[in-house]
Amino acid sequence: EIVMTQSPATLSVSPGERATLSCRASQSINSNLAWYQQKPGQAPRLLIYGASTRATGIPARFIGSGSGTEFSLTISSLQSEDFAVYYCQEYKNWPPDNFGQGTKLEIK
Amino acid sequence: QVQLQQSGPGLVEPSQTLSLTCAISGDSVSSNSAAWSWIRQSPSRGLEWLGRTYYRSKWYSDYGASVRGRIVVNPDTSKNQFSLQLNSVTPEDTAVYFCARYTTGWFFDYWGQGTLVTVSS
Repeated sequence: EIVMTQSPATLSVSPGERATLSCRASQSINSNLAWYQQKPGQAPRLLIYGASTRATGIPARFIGSGSGTEFSLTISSLQSEDFAVYYCQEYKNWPPDNFGQGTKLEIK
Repeated sequence: QVQLQQSGPGLVEPSQTLSLTCAISGDSVSSNSAAWSWIRQSPSRGLEWLGRTYYRSKWYSDYGASVRGRIVVNPDTSKNQFSLQLNSVTPEDTAVYFCARYTTGWFFDYWGQGTLVTVSS
């Protein structure tokens, strides 16, 4: 069983600054990784799939990178609407419910 | 633009059946390239995939191990929607339930708005 570990659990960053979130898989998942953003009371929103491909309508400030076991999501210049919880999900294996525990991005 | 609109009760009594519906616009439940899933989220379990239905010349449904035997996911082509039935619920089934779509990979590109379902008498 692949374990997905996100770090840090909470990240405090000021608006306009860069944020980097990490996601580690316990074994290789190639590039089969997605990132989601979830705000309180809302559904997760797909940001990135294939480790680095932005989903439709996602701003260019969201940058996904990595392959194998180490992945990151960088938000290049934080906007107020970016403060949320972020989840990674590996989809190399079935069933598709292997999500990380989330990183809460909060305003510093 | 694909939209998924969920409906169903927010309170279910223990041992009863949880029933939710997800209405699809901008796509078809009979699409040969999409699959339609139910996912739930709770503080104790995180995001948990429950089951799916999809059409590939015929209809298929399959389910997650944690709920297999209690769950049915069905398409309704006349209304372009799909449904979730979860039987014999307990308080541990209390969660926010989402419907969602995947297409080219097992990641979810469109989600319903979520329904908080509380199992309580």
